[in-house]
Amino acid sequence: KAGVTQTPRYLIKTRGQQVTLSCSPISGHRSVSWYQQTPGQGLQFLFEYFSETQRNKGNFPGRFSGRQFSNSRSEMNVSTLELGDSALYLCASSGAGDRSSDGSYNSPLHFGNGTRLTVT
Amino acid sequence: AQKITQTQPGMFVQEKEAVTLDCTYDTSDPSYGLFWYKQPSSGEMIFLIYQGSYDQQNATEGRYSLNFQKARKSANLVISASQLGDSAMYFCAMAGSARQLTFGSGTQLTVLP
Repeated sequence: KAGVTQTPRYLIKTRGQQVTLSCSPISGHRSVSWYQQTPGQGLQFLFEYFSETQRNKGNFPGRFSGRQFSNSRSEMNVSTLELGDSALYLCASSGAGDRSSDGSYNSPLHFGNGTRLTVT
Repeated sequence: AQKITQTQPGMFVQEKEAVTLDCTYDTSDPSYGLFWYKQPSSGEMIFLIYQGSYDQQNATEGRYSLNFQKARKSANLVISASQLGDSAMYFCAMAGSARQLTFGSGTQLTVLP
């Protein structure tokens, strides 16, 4: 089974521009999540999509948006880029129906290699 | 709100020895899952092991085991027989009722030959 695929691997953009990152989940996985990783803030949750609907959203400004298509592929868009948006953006997928009897999620998120975005 | 604390920014271990990476957590969720991930310099997050809050036994996956002490709110990762390829950043993470992970700040493990 192919893993989570993120494209592109590297991006260099200029302040004020916008960028779109792509993520193809593991076949059969319907949940796709996005995380931002920076040296200063660590790993932070951006949002999660399930069956084309955003289920959860982290504490990020509205410049960060995403969507999911009917084939579960997801895109993340950042508009009006700032220097602080430079980061590794990680996409993760997981299957449905993976709750323990106690209600917590028990299956791991499977991450891609990430897209390293540099804003100059 | 959930919080994961990893107090060891860096750890060194001799090849073939065991090492324990510390993780403490705090949450208001009555049930939760604890995960450990490995991140090599390439950037990919690799899932290692999972422990549910109601699991009675400590989880084990090959050379990885999770020392879960619920009363102390700790979920330490034990790596036995360290290998050079184990050198990487290790993250402890938690998920509650929502499918989103809260990560700790990570521990950089270096295995010495």
